Amino acid sequence: KNQVEQSPQSLIILEGKNCTLQCNYTVSPFSNLRWYKQDTGRGPVSLTIMTFSENTKSNGRYTATLDADTKQSSLHITASQLSDSASYICVVGGYDKVIFGPGTSLSVIP
Amino acid sequence: DGGITQSPKYLFRKEGQNVTLSCEQNLNHDAMYWYRQDPGQGLRLIYYSQIVNDFQKGDIAEGYSVSREKKESFPLTVTSAQKNPTAFYLCASMGRAATNEKLFFGSGTQLSVL
Repeated sequence: KNQVEQSPQSLIILEGKNCTLQCNYTVSPFSNLRWYKQDTGRGPVSLTIMTFSENTKSNGRYTATLDADTKQSSLHITASQLSDSASYICVVGGYDKVIFGPGTSLSVIP
Repeated sequence: DGGITQSPKYLFRKEGQNVTLSCEQNLNHDAMYWYRQDPGQGLRLIYYSQIVNDFQKGDIAEGYSVSREKKESFPLTVTSAQKNPTAFYLCASMGRAATNEKLFFGSGTQLSVL
């Protein structure tokens, strides 16, 4: 069954600290893996897209990694800011399907 | 500005009523999608369209209908057959389906039942 799991479900960190969000998937065949940021009441916004051959991609303070052998990805946020508070969604693309994970809710507090 | 626009932001449905959610894009994208988001769950695909005048059912199409008469527009109708319509609805578009391109999302419509 094609599935995308994310952990933790929610996370609270202090402003300025780093954090890492995890994504495990069983989607096959695999085409790409995307991380999205979704602010409350808004549509998701793309952070990174990685294909099978890529194992890391950065977008400012966001760095995504991909291990296609173990079917795991992580999103590392460096020097967190209050504006990083959002839901982070891992999305895995197959041949003709896009499977969304349930998201990790991140709260950054002062 | 190029983008994807959903309206209204909030919508209320009476029992037995059909309601239509609007989605318009000026990105010249071929593929458009409708997703439903419930708390604590991943987005689920309702319908998608890869080209004008053609659309396909997604995983949870029952109780919904769509049309794609113009490239720019992909409205979603929530019919009275959808017994649990309260959710956040997201429209998205992509240049071409089944590629490594970005999915662009609208800002969503929150539908609630009165």
